[in-house]
Amino acid sequence: GAVVSQHPSRVICKSGTSVKIECRSLDFQATTMFWYRQFPKQSLMLMATSNEGSKATYEQGVEKDKFLINHASLTLSTLTVTSAHPEDSSFYICSARPSSGDYNEQFFGPGTRLTVL
Amino acid sequence: GDSVTQMEGPVTLSEEAFLTINCTYTATGYPSLFWYVQYPGEGLQLLLKATKADDKGSNKGFEATYRKETTSFHLEKGSVQVSDSAVYFCALEPNSGNTPLVFGKGTRLSVIA
Repeated sequence: GAVVSQHPSRVICKSGTSVKIECRSLDFQATTMFWYRQFPKQSLMLMATSNEGSKATYEQGVEKDKFLINHASLTLSTLTVTSAHPEDSSFYICSARPSSGDYNEQFFGPGTRLTVL
Repeated sequence: GDSVTQMEGPVTLSEEAFLTINCTYTATGYPSLFWYVQYPGEGLQLLLKATKADDKGSNKGFEATYRKETTSFHLEKGSVQVSDSAVYFCALEPNSGNTPLVFGKGTRLSVIA
């Protein structure tokens, strides 16, 4: 099946620094990718929809200047957490659906655990 | 808007017990329904899915049937194992197009030997 990777899998950073998380579709192209955030023992909350070649669409309450999304190619979307603070510590998960082919589902990355000290 | 409601956990069962995790949904149109599993420290894995009414999804001994009349997609397994301990998420995709999934809050299952 299709595979989505995320890098890094874990990151620890100091408060005030920026962190970039990559989401790659390894064997398919995806014009749209989704970024979710998961707090401890809670469900996934959609943060934004990443569109290749255009601006991301953010959900209500998500700061677009805080969480920068760039979808520069059909296989890569990046989420940059700018000036991270401890409250940004969370598990970030991306998903993508193949733009073509017989796939009828979205594929999720393994997630990135961000810890801000 | 669209929503998914699943039974709150945690659920603790003995090995070989029968498992049911209830899931109901609210949606316009005809959504696709999914169950995802998340093992400790890992991302989400698709467990099973159903794309239309009366479809039954099954995988690894787990089953769920898409019931349009009751807007439900309950997850069942006849005999759970310790290795089934995980968090289970019910989800729907509002349309067959490229839209984000709507997730339930998740149900934590612990199976003890």
